[in-house]
Amino acid sequence: GAVVSQHPSRVICKSGTSVKIECRSLDFQATTMFWYRQFPKKSLMLMATSNEGSKATYEQGVEKDKFLINHASLTLSTLTVTSAHPEDSSFYICSATNPSSSTDTQYFGPGTRLTVL
Amino acid sequence: GDSVTQMEGPVTLSEEAFLTINCTYTATGYPSLFWYVQYPGEGLQLLLKATKADDKGSNKGFEATYRKETTSFHLEKGSVQVSDSAVYFCALRGGTSYGKLTFGQGTILTVHP
Repeated sequence: GAVVSQHPSRVICKSGTSVKIECRSLDFQATTMFWYRQFPKKSLMLMATSNEGSKATYEQGVEKDKFLINHASLTLSTLTVTSAHPEDSSFYICSATNPSSSTDTQYFGPGTRLTVL
Repeated sequence: GDSVTQMEGPVTLSEEAFLTINCTYTATGYPSLFWYVQYPGEGLQLLLKATKADDKGSNKGFEATYRKETTSFHLEKGSVQVSDSAVYFCALRGGTSYGKLTFGQGTILTVHP
């Protein structure tokens, strides 16, 4: 079964509003989670690395004030798209690594489809 | 920087056909290489991986060999099934960037009965 969940699976919002996306590790504690963005017919692009209890590390070109990441617990990271605009419409995917596992496999959530009108 | 290039899709095959999806990479250091699969409506799942040159990853009949000399990690399967229809992503994790994955653009595979 799924070990990483995302909520909501899809969201439609008006331009200028903020949207929060949740990423949960279901049966392990994840000190590190990753947020990706996927454009149509494009690869996944890493946006930021979310670290529990500390500030997220953003990739070059990603606006940290626009994409707020909070990793307040070992099983939950949130991505808030602030003042969303149509160009923010995309598929957002999170992943998490189980530090207790003997492998460093990343487990991916099913993604959240954001549409900004 | 690191990059991954996959063959353009979509790929359409008949059941039991042979599958090859090409993947080449550019990276510094000694990356680990991965193939992920995304079935309709689901998240990405690790299909197979290889961590050093000449390693062969295999799972569910799929194979890929880490070729350092050609910087390639092509995915192959001898006989595909309808249930293999999915999007396949080649990815690398650089030797100097723990946990960060760099993905190819994905290849849509459709297998017909």
